[in-house]
Amino acid sequence: EDQVTQSPEALRLQEGESSSLNCSYTVSGLRGLFWYRQDPGKGPEFLFTLYSAGEEKEKERLKATLTKKESFLHITAPKPEDSATYLCAVRFQGAQKLVFGQGTRLTINP
Amino acid sequence: EPEVTQTPSHQVTQMGQEVILRCVPISNHLYFYWYRQILGQKVEFLVSFYNNEISEKSEIFDDQFSVERPDGSNFTLKIRSTKLEDSAMYFCASSEGGGSPLHFGNGTRLTVT
Repeated sequence: EDQVTQSPEALRLQEGESSSLNCSYTVSGLRGLFWYRQDPGKGPEFLFTLYSAGEEKEKERLKATLTKKESFLHITAPKPEDSATYLCAVRFQGAQKLVFGQGTRLTINP
Repeated sequence: EPEVTQTPSHQVTQMGQEVILRCVPISNHLYFYWYRQILGQKVEFLVSFYNNEISEKSEIFDDQFSVERPDGSNFTLKIRSTKLEDSAMYFCASSEGGGSPLHFGNGTRLTVT
């Protein structure tokens, strides 16, 4: 069965302390990997799409990368407003649906 | 920036009652979706809708659920006879194409008592 796993479940950083979040997937064929940010009580907010191994996307302090089996969301010099749950989702071959991981709850302390 | 809007933001209903959750997708999008998130759990796919018909559905989406696009702007999810385990946040989403990113609304919190 196609699966998406995120690690760590929770991460606390000090403001300015860079780190990476991981999303690994077992897949019969990848049609796209998506990163979302979710604030409490809100819907997922789209950040990035990655379609092929080696691809990278960047937005402000966030950078997403993709290999054949996993993706990383790198956060550089984070600020308290970057605190949120970050969700990874994968679209597999032959399907339209996104399969979500359980998310990484990121807290940035000032 | 265009956004997906959902109403109501919170719905409380009694077990066995019918509920209709409403969504207005982004206007030029062609694919529409419903997902749900039980408190503390993953976001789960329910159904996708394209060209006025269901294109994909999950095992959760049984005969108690139905979707409709009654006019050119609204997209609804109906639960015929709600159960306690239907309590969750329900998210509507839309996308421009079948391989495009999904854009989500802020959800309807459904509480079944």
